[in-house]
Amino acid sequence: ETGVTQTPRHLVMGMTNKKSLKCEQHLGHNAMYWYKQSAKKPLELMFVYNFKEQTENNSVPSRFSPECPNSSHLFLHLHTLQPEDSALYLCASSQDIGELFFGEGSRLTVL
Amino acid sequence: SQQGEEDPQALSIQEGENATMNCSYKTSINNLQWYRQNSGRGLVHLILIRSNEREKHSGRLRVTLDTSKKSSSLLITASRAADTASYFCATDALGNQFYFGTGTSLTVIP
Repeated sequence: ETGVTQTPRHLVMGMTNKKSLKCEQHLGHNAMYWYKQSAKKPLELMFVYNFKEQTENNSVPSRFSPECPNSSHLFLHLHTLQPEDSALYLCASSQDIGELFFGEGSRLTVL
Repeated sequence: SQQGEEDPQALSIQEGENATMNCSYKTSINNLQWYRQNSGRGLVHLILIRSNEREKHSGRLRVTLDTSKKSSSLLITASRAADTASYFCATDALGNQFYFGTGTSLTVIP
């Protein structure tokens, strides 16, 4: 148990669906992250939030929409995804620029 | 990109042997971290080494950092079957951005 909880663990959706991934951290950290992990590719940093403010958006398509309502919760809203978006989506948190604590990930399959 | 790149991509050893994996990166860093990932799970932090440190130990793990060569190595001594996993290095520069490579897949044969 890392203190970072992601739900759902598995998600299958069609290309026209709208769904959301949720992440919650119980560690009191001030930064939260979304990473995408695809087979044989480096982990891709998607979004970074510091004190609920988005500080990075690494050229992520607009069909991925993050939301950080408070410092403990992070969402990734998904809309009109493509099959190539199928991947493991990992949430992480940290205190400043320190050790990252990851959740177990949400395995997304887009049909 | 300043992401780390691990080498080798895959490594297979016998239980009890030592495993060494390397990481190279492109730009100056504040610190470098190593993580482990079991198949389909989240990453788990192993060790952090700061840019002004050259070597660090944690149990059976030994990490070295050579900032002049922009490289790091992770040594796992007396490997066990339970060490089978993928290992990633992560580097940071300015701000809260951590960049990972594709990882080294380690298989320890009992």
